[in-house]
Amino acid sequence: EVQLVESGGGLVQPGRSLKLSCLASGFTFSNYGMNWIRQAPGKGLEWVASISSSSSYIYYADTVKGRFTISRDNAKNTLYLQMTSLRSEDTALYYCARHYYSGDFDYWGQGVMVTVSS
Amino acid sequence: DIVLTQSPALAVSLGQRATISCRASESVRSSMHWYQQKSGQQPKLLIYGASNLASGVPARFSGSGSGTDFTFTIDPVEADDIATYYCQQSRNDPYTFGAGTKLELK
Repeated sequence: EVQLVESGGGLVQPGRSLKLSCLASGFTFSNYGMNWIRQAPGKGLEWVASISSSSSYIYYADTVKGRFTISRDNAKNTLYLQMTSLRSEDTALYYCARHYYSGDFDYWGQGVMVTVSS
Repeated sequence: DIVLTQSPALAVSLGQRATISCRASESVRSSMHWYQQKSGQQPKLLIYGASNLASGVPARFSGSGSGTDFTFTIDPVEADDIATYYCQQSRNDPYTFGAGTKLELK
């Protein structure tokens, strides 16, 4: 069974940093691209960042470019999102999602909440 | 960025057909996917590649369309289908989502 379990969220002050993790199991992690997708309270879905299976290709949404860094450790089956210079508008539930070859996100974690507030 | 436009809400009766539309600001060919999100849960993939049913998804769900106009259908609607439905395109980076259509009971 495919499982994606996010962790590392919490309450953080504006301008500070936070690192999210997503532990994958039930599939060969190193064969799949992975993504972070977020959802602000009561809002829709926003793709944040993606990383290819071997970390060769990395993309970011304009809203986080230069502040967030996506990475992965295939030996540990773990995806990361390093978030710096956090803003109130980064407050959201952050999901990690597996990227299928057809461009869809076929499995999602349960999400981890990040709240940016003083 | 490609903008995906969905109607905010749709009211439907149990046992009837629900049709949700998604219009793209430019052609995405068949690179359109549909997700269901129930309250308090993560999104779930239902349809990929415009018309392909994801694994384990009931045949009551279907998708059609290509280019800029896409349709997602539930027939018949069951009580468990009450949720918000999102379209998503993967034709161009950045991948974008529609704002979601909330399916409500009439």
